[in-house]
Amino acid sequence: DAKTTQPNSMESNEEEPVHLPCNHSTISGTDYIHWYRQLPSQGPEYVIHGLTSNVNNRMASLAIAEDRKSSTLILHRATLRDAAVYYCILRRNFNKFYFGSGTKLNVKP
Amino acid sequence: DAGITQSPRHKVTETGTPVTLRCHQTENHRYMYWYRQDPGHGLRLIHYSYGVKDTDKGEVSDGYSVSRSKTEDFLLTLESATSSQTSVYFCAISESAVSLPSATNTGELFFGEGSRLTVL
Repeated sequence: DAKTTQPNSMESNEEEPVHLPCNHSTISGTDYIHWYRQLPSQGPEYVIHGLTSNVNNRMASLAIAEDRKSSTLILHRATLRDAAVYYCILRRNFNKFYFGSGTKLNVKP
Repeated sequence: DAGITQSPRHKVTETGTPVTLRCHQTENHRYMYWYRQDPGHGLRLIHYSYGVKDTDKGEVSDGYSVSRSKTEDFLLTLESATSSQTSVYFCAISESAVSLPSATNTGELFFGEGSRLTVL
């Protein structure tokens, strides 16, 4: 099965960049790497995804290692509203999603 | 926000009783999923559906069954609830990533707000 490994928690100061790591050594060639985040008492929401190349969108950037066995979600300037649990996910066969246990991000003012 | 409604949002029941959770979508998406969320485990897939009457097991399907008789509804049933099934249950939907134009091809999952089930 596809598996991702993330640190349980991380802490950041407000308005500083945050790098959230993820290991996915069992990734296969067609697996997409997705990141979702979950705010308290809500369902997870999409952040970003990629296959091989680094990706940027309005929320974050995704850096993917050359061997694809790890990736890093980058929040360029953390805000208090970014405090959430961030999930690194492998999407296999287009519509099967394998969640890791997530990283709880705490943002200090 | 994606049109996904879960019901009930909260339920307390006793061991051995049957429980059905309902997920209703208004997006006409092909894929529907049931996940459970427990501390230390993230989200784990119970069952998913890839069309009306087409379902398949996920990684933690024992003790659960599902049905999808129409596109908009996906039901999760616990035939005889146990305390180990106390959890928060999330329904999710997605469109087939294959059918989307490449520029918008995220295969994004949209989640409901969750149903908290307590089995005493």
